[in-house]
Amino acid sequence: DVKVTQSSRYLVKRTGEKVFLECVQDMDHENMFWYRQDPGLGLRLIYFSYDVKMKEKGDIPEGYSVSREKKERFSLILESASTNQTSMYLCASRPQGNTIYFGEGSWLTVV
Amino acid sequence: GEDVEQSLFLSVREGDSSVINCTYTDSSSTYLYWYKQEPGAGLQLLTYIFSNMDMKQDQRLTVLLNKKDKHLSLRIADTQTGDSAIYFCAEEGPRGGGYNKLIFGAGTRLAVHP
Repeated sequence: DVKVTQSSRYLVKRTGEKVFLECVQDMDHENMFWYRQDPGLGLRLIYFSYDVKMKEKGDIPEGYSVSREKKERFSLILESASTNQTSMYLCASRPQGNTIYFGEGSWLTVV
Repeated sequence: GEDVEQSLFLSVREGDSSVINCTYTDSSSTYLYWYKQEPGAGLQLLTYIFSNMDMKQDQRLTVLLNKKDKHLSLRIADTQTGDSAIYFCAEEGPRGGGYNKLIFGAGTRLAVHP
């Protein structure tokens, strides 16, 4: 079974803090993604990566950055967390041309 | 532009059929997906349909695709309380940078009551 693991399920951070959300997949998938999910808005793509050290902006990249130093790991970084970044963050991975697999999600609250 | 729309809420009685509807805008979509999200969990792929198909059946699930109207539906037969979840419709968007972007609807919350 494909496994996409998000290391933190629940986090509470203060405004202005730097936040790291980590995601690891064990299936040697080329493509990895970070989405955020908000009620009534569905999933919105923040960033994705199609190879090591490669990254592309999604629909809502502002306030976020990403890092992909190794194929299995894709990190989402909030340089200076703000309250409007309180959300559920979903990591996903995908082999070439096949369906997408999601992690369990990370609930981030910024106070 | 790309857009996927779903109604936000559906309530059904246990044992009845549920029909969740979705409309999409990109006629070049190759695959359309249904994902299920249970409380506190990530998204789980339920089923998908290739754009040259009209229907796909998988046990209690039936997917109908009307390509002319860009309408996709998910029917769950004999709905159980364990089917209570949020269901997301997604279309495979335009290819860009070698990657097919998945565009999600806002999700339909299915509530199953006795």
